[in-house]
Amino acid sequence: KQEVTQIPAALSVPEGENLVLNCSFTDSAIYNLQWFRQDPGKGLTSLLLIQSSQREQTSGRLNASLDKSSGRSTLYIAASQPGDSATYLCALDNYGQNFVFGPGTRLSVLP
Amino acid sequence: GAVVSQHPSRVICKSGTSVKIECRSLDFQATTMFWYRQFPKKSLMLMATSNEGSKATYEQGVEKDKFLINHASLTLSTLTVTSAHPEDSSFYICSAWDRLLGYTFGSGTRLTVV
Repeated sequence: KQEVTQIPAALSVPEGENLVLNCSFTDSAIYNLQWFRQDPGKGLTSLLLIQSSQREQTSGRLNASLDKSSGRSTLYIAASQPGDSATYLCALDNYGQNFVFGPGTRLSVLP
Repeated sequence: GAVVSQHPSRVICKSGTSVKIECRSLDFQATTMFWYRQFPKKSLMLMATSNEGSKATYEQGVEKDKFLINHASLTLSTLTVTSAHPEDSSFYICSAWDRLLGYTFGSGTRLTVV
C-alpha cells in the first residue's frame, strides 16, 4: 500500500527566502506525481505534474524534482512571497486506480 | 482545460437530515469518479471510487449506507450524506478521471452539521 509523507509539517519563513518542501513515498511504481496547493477551506490547485519518466518540472518560481529510486520528490519555491502561504500537498497517481495524498506542509510566508 | 463542477460549495444542515453533493464533469466524460474527505488540518482521504453504472467501491472504514454514492452518467456523480451528524462535518472533494486528461478535482464542499 502506497504511503506518502511530507516534511516539514509546517514551515514559517520571512518573505524572500528560498525554501524546499519534501515528499517521500514507499512504492515507486507510480504513473506520475503531482504537487497541489490548497488555501484554507478551498479546493485544490495543481501546481506541477511530473511523469514517472521525468526528473523535474518547472513553472515560474516553482521547481519540482522526482527521484523514483529513492522514493522522493522536492518542491522548491524561490523568492517566497506572502501569497505563497497555503498548504502544499504532494500526491501519487496510480493511473486511474487511486490518487494518494501526503499529509501536506503548511507554509506561512511572513511579510 | 478539463473542469469539474462541484456543488454546493458550502452547506449547513441540521442533525438527522440528508445532504446531497453533486460532482459534474463539464466538458469531458469521466470514466471514474473519486470522493475524498478532509478533516481539519489533515490530508485528503479517499472515501470511495465509482464507475458509471456500477456500485461504488468504498474504502475500509467508510460506511456505505451513510455515504451513498450514485454515478448514473459519465458526467455526474453524487454523494449523499444520510442522517448527518456533527461528526460528519468536513470538507468533501470529488475528482473525475479520464485516461487522456488524468485527474481533475472539484472545488470542494464544506459541510457543517449543526
